[in-house]
Amino acid sequence: DAKTTQPTSMDCAEGRAANLPCNHSTISGNEYVYWYRQIHSQGPQYIIHGLKNNETNEMASLIITEDRKSSTLILPHATLRDTAVYYCIVRVGGDSWGKLQFGAGTQVVVTP
Amino acid sequence: EAQVTQNPRYLITVTGKKLTVTCSQNMNHEYMSWYRQDPGLGLRQIYYSMNVEVTDKGDVPEGYKVSRKEKRNFPLILESPSPNQTSLYFCASSDLNSPLHFGNGTRLTVT
Repeated sequence: DAKTTQPTSMDCAEGRAANLPCNHSTISGNEYVYWYRQIHSQGPQYIIHGLKNNETNEMASLIITEDRKSSTLILPHATLRDTAVYYCIVRVGGDSWGKLQFGAGTQVVVTP
Repeated sequence: EAQVTQNPRYLITVTGKKLTVTCSQNMNHEYMSWYRQDPGLGLRQIYYSMNVEVTDKGDVPEGYKVSRKEKRNFPLILESPSPNQTSLYFCASSDLNSPLHFGNGTRLTVT
């Protein structure tokens, strides 16, 4: 399975865009990039995922580089409620998608 | 409401006393998995199940057992808990190639 690396922490001003990078240099062709976030000790919450193309939903945008070795999660207008730990993971498509590795994630602090 | 339900939310026990943490999902998902979370280590996968009667080890399976006798339930069993299993535990479920749905967690303390 591919592993991901993320910065340990980052700060963001309220109302500004938050850009969270993730490296997954050993990603395979059938592995999806997923983003989750965890607020305090609650269960992680799904944000967005993608395979090759950029994706956007009501929460965020996901930009995946053409070589798929890295991606960026964009929170367009960060609010205080976006303070959380953000996890980038890769998940194999098809039959071998059961085993997952989360890593330590990025602690994002949104300040007023 | 679609959800993953874990019980109990909090559990304090003593070393060696067998315990079971239950996990149930109402979304008819084939895939279920268990994670533990410790400070600074993120989420680590314990076991997962691709379908009924099919279970596989994750990264940290030692000291744990699971069973998947029916689709909706995936209990985590600690036959002889030890203090190093004190942790926050999460259960999750999903369909093929769909996002994980997580439970609210079980905070276990083993003294």
